[in-house]
Amino acid sequence: SQTIHQWPATLVQPVGSPLSLECTVEGTSNPNLYWYRQAAGRGLQLLFYSVGIGQISSEVPQNLSASRPQDRQFILSSKKLLLSDSGFYLCAWSRQGHTGELFFGEGSRLTVL
Amino acid sequence: ILNVEQSPQSLHVQEGDSTNFTCSFPSSNFYALHWYRWETAKSPEALFVMTLNGDEKKKGRISATLNTKEGYSYLYIKGSQPEDSATYLCAFTGSARQLTFGSGTQLTVLP
Repeated sequence: SQTIHQWPATLVQPVGSPLSLECTVEGTSNPNLYWYRQAAGRGLQLLFYSVGIGQISSEVPQNLSASRPQDRQFILSSKKLLLSDSGFYLCAWSRQGHTGELFFGEGSRLTVL
Repeated sequence: ILNVEQSPQSLHVQEGDSTNFTCSFPSSNFYALHWYRWETAKSPEALFVMTLNGDEKKKGRISATLNTKEGYSYLYIKGSQPEDSATYLCAFTGSARQLTFGSGTQLTVLP
């Protein structure tokens, strides 16, 4: 069966510090991978998606970046965090060529102070 | 920018009550409509994926309908139980094949 894990689960970082959130998927190959963010009181906002290694599409301009160094690994990064980067980040995957049903990771709560 | 609206934003019902909430989405370039349940301290989980106008899906006490021509979907819960308490998210997929989420309906079922 397929599993998805992301870490760390919680993170408290000062403004201006770097960020790295990791996500890995097991039990499937060539998945679509996604990073979503839920800001306080709002829905899920798509940040990045990837259809293959090294292929990253950005949906929202910001100081975050994403990378996919391996087929089942997706990393969300920032060189310098802003206060507005605080939120709940979810990694997700979907099968290629299907209706796009998403399978989510456990989430990462980021607080920028 | 795609507009996916959910109402109400939050809802409190008594155990045993039936309830429903709404998701509205663009009626053009429709590909699929998803419903997810997001329980506290867990990951969102898919309830339904609907692709055809007039689709009705059911899973236990939960069901959903779809009207793509007018751009809305209803989620119904019959005989609500405390374990149904969660945030229910709908998500629209258009021709770009990316999901756009609504802000969710937070349901609390009181025992």
